[in-house]
Amino acid sequence: GQNIDQPTEMTATEGAIVQINCTYQTSGFNGLFWYQQHAGEAPTFLSYNVLDGLEEKGRFSSFLSRSKGYSYLLLKELQMKDSASYLCAVRDSNYQLIWGAGTKLIIKP
Amino acid sequence: ETGVTQTPRHLVMGMTNKKSLKCEQHLGHNAMYWYKQSAKKPLELMFVYNFKEQTENNSVPSRFSPECPNSSHLFLHLHTLQPEDSALYLCASSQEEGGVDEQFFGPGTRLTVL
Repeated sequence: GQNIDQPTEMTATEGAIVQINCTYQTSGFNGLFWYQQHAGEAPTFLSYNVLDGLEEKGRFSSFLSRSKGYSYLLLKELQMKDSASYLCAVRDSNYQLIWGAGTKLIIKP
Repeated sequence: ETGVTQTPRHLVMGMTNKKSLKCEQHLGHNAMYWYKQSAKKPLELMFVYNFKEQTENNSVPSRFSPECPNSSHLFLHLHTLQPEDSALYLCASSQEEGGVDEQFFGPGTRLTVL
């Protein structure tokens, strides 16, 4: 079966750095997405990786290792508004998106 | 503003009611999706429409009936639902199904079935 694993919940301190991991087992791979979802709101696109390596976008970076079936989302200089759920999704060989259950990130002052 | 709107935002219905959820996208996309989001579970893809044609039905019970009159509008008709159908129903759109573009989501309808 296809599976995406990510931690259920993480806690970090304002101003710090946090890394949210995602591991996947899917039938084929055609890209990995990270989305942010604030409580009661729509998921919004953060990043897309299809090749190995690090993609940096401001305070957020996303890393991919296809050989290890592994990605992480790195958030720097954490702000209170970063408190949200972070969803990892992989596009399989049929171009279907397989979703993880999301990681709830709690930022403390 | 994501460009995808959903109405209503909240809905409470009894098991014998009939109701409809509406989604509209203003992005000029050709693919639209219905997802179910339950607490602490992955997003479940329910239906996909590409250029108004249904291309995916992930074994969804017949009490959920989608309708896509044009590329901008998507409906989910609900009939004789069960309490376990209570969830957040998200609509999304993308340029086309199977493309490399990301999906844009609406804010969702929070459905409670009594």
